[in-house]
Amino acid sequence: DARVTQTPRHKVTEMGQEVTMRCQPILGHNTVFWYRQTMMQGLELLAYFRNRAPLDDSGMPKDRFSAEMPDATLATLKIQPSEPRDSAVYFCASGSPGDGEQFFGPGTRLTVL
Amino acid sequence: QQPVQSPQAVILREGEDAVINCSSSKALYSVHWYRQKHGEAPVFLMILLKGGEQKGHEKISASFNEKKQQSSLYLTASQLSYSGTYFCGTEANDYKLSFGAGTTVTVRA
Repeated sequence: DARVTQTPRHKVTEMGQEVTMRCQPILGHNTVFWYRQTMMQGLELLAYFRNRAPLDDSGMPKDRFSAEMPDATLATLKIQPSEPRDSAVYFCASGSPGDGEQFFGPGTRLTVL
Repeated sequence: QQPVQSPQAVILREGEDAVINCSSSKALYSVHWYRQKHGEAPVFLMILLKGGEQKGHEKISASFNEKKQQSSLYLTASQLSYSGTYFCGTEANDYKLSFGAGTTVTVRA
């Protein structure tokens, strides 16, 4: 049963610290998405990649967030420095445009104190 | 541009029906519907494509009015397992989704 995996599942850190979240997309999917979910803003697209190339990162605060896909099996989202307003659940999803469905990972719940 | 969903919340008894609406101000290529249970990830329900094609996994139906950029999700003969928050995701181009604020559905025995 193919699934998107994310690590860590929970992260508590202090303001100013660096946070790295990792995602392993489903093998064979060529598109990877990073979403952020909060009560106030809902589910927002931060960035997405196709065939490892960034297509759109306009939803991401550029000064502190960065997203990369060092290889086809790993996507990373980094926050440096972290701030309390970054507290949210971060979801990675993968899919292929022809299939339509986006498969979401279990999420990383980030708390910045 | 985030699509607008209505209602925000609905409470049903088992066996009752409900309709969730989603509207966009942009021309759409497709509309996706997802359900999220508390503390879990969103799970795909259905995609409705411009031109009428639909792909879905569950016994939940939906419609897509391309001219009005509106979609509706129909929960028929609701079951306890239908409880959760339903999101529509609208795609204007290139597989990039904008999600609505969600509709919380509570089904009671």
